[in-house]
Amino acid sequence: KAGVTQTPRYLIKTRGQQVTLSCSPISGHRSVSWYQQTPGQGLQFLFEYFSETQRNKGNFPGRFSGRQFSNSRSEMNVSTLELGDSALYLCASSPWGNYGYTFGSGTRLTVV
Amino acid sequence: DQQVKQNSPSLSVQEGRISILNCDYTNSMFDYFLWYKKYPAEGPTFLISISSIKDKNEDGRFTVFLNKSAKHLSLHIVPSQPGDSAVYFCAAREGNEKLTFGTGTRLTIIP
Repeated sequence: KAGVTQTPRYLIKTRGQQVTLSCSPISGHRSVSWYQQTPGQGLQFLFEYFSETQRNKGNFPGRFSGRQFSNSRSEMNVSTLELGDSALYLCASSPWGNYGYTFGSGTRLTVV
Repeated sequence: DQQVKQNSPSLSVQEGRISILNCDYTNSMFDYFLWYKKYPAEGPTFLISISSIKDKNEDGRFTVFLNKSAKHLSLHIVPSQPGDSAVYFCAAREGNEKLTFGTGTRLTIIP
């Protein structure tokens, strides 16, 4: 079965712009989590959605938001981009949001 | 606050020898622990996990040990192979809460 698909793979934006990243989970998975990976910081949790509801949220500013659609696909939005937002953004899906996380290949965002 | 710590950013091991990756945590409520492996330009892939009710779990060349009293987790890879060169992340969770990841250890296997 198809894995977790993240689009786009690469993105270059300028400071102040906004960006939307997309994640299509494995078919049948209802939980989608988003992580930010930067050098030296590991994977920092952004938020988790389950059945269109945000279930957990990390310590990121309100510029970071997300949503989940009825087909479990999820989008993440970052507004007023800053240079420090440059990172690899990873999405992970799981059947129920407890175990069995599968990650996508990520979206590499570069803010210039 | 970093609740899951991997204090060694990098580790080099000779091919065929044992690789030991370490992870410490501070939250005693964590009840499930996982190891992920990540190659460049790819997402992390699940390697092995362990529940807090166990102290050891083995899967082929990979064994995870859990010492709850010391709040310490380790991953043993025996024997190490060149394809094991990657960044390894440990992760932990409490109940249905989010997965908390460590900062990763870059393992290099020397042929």
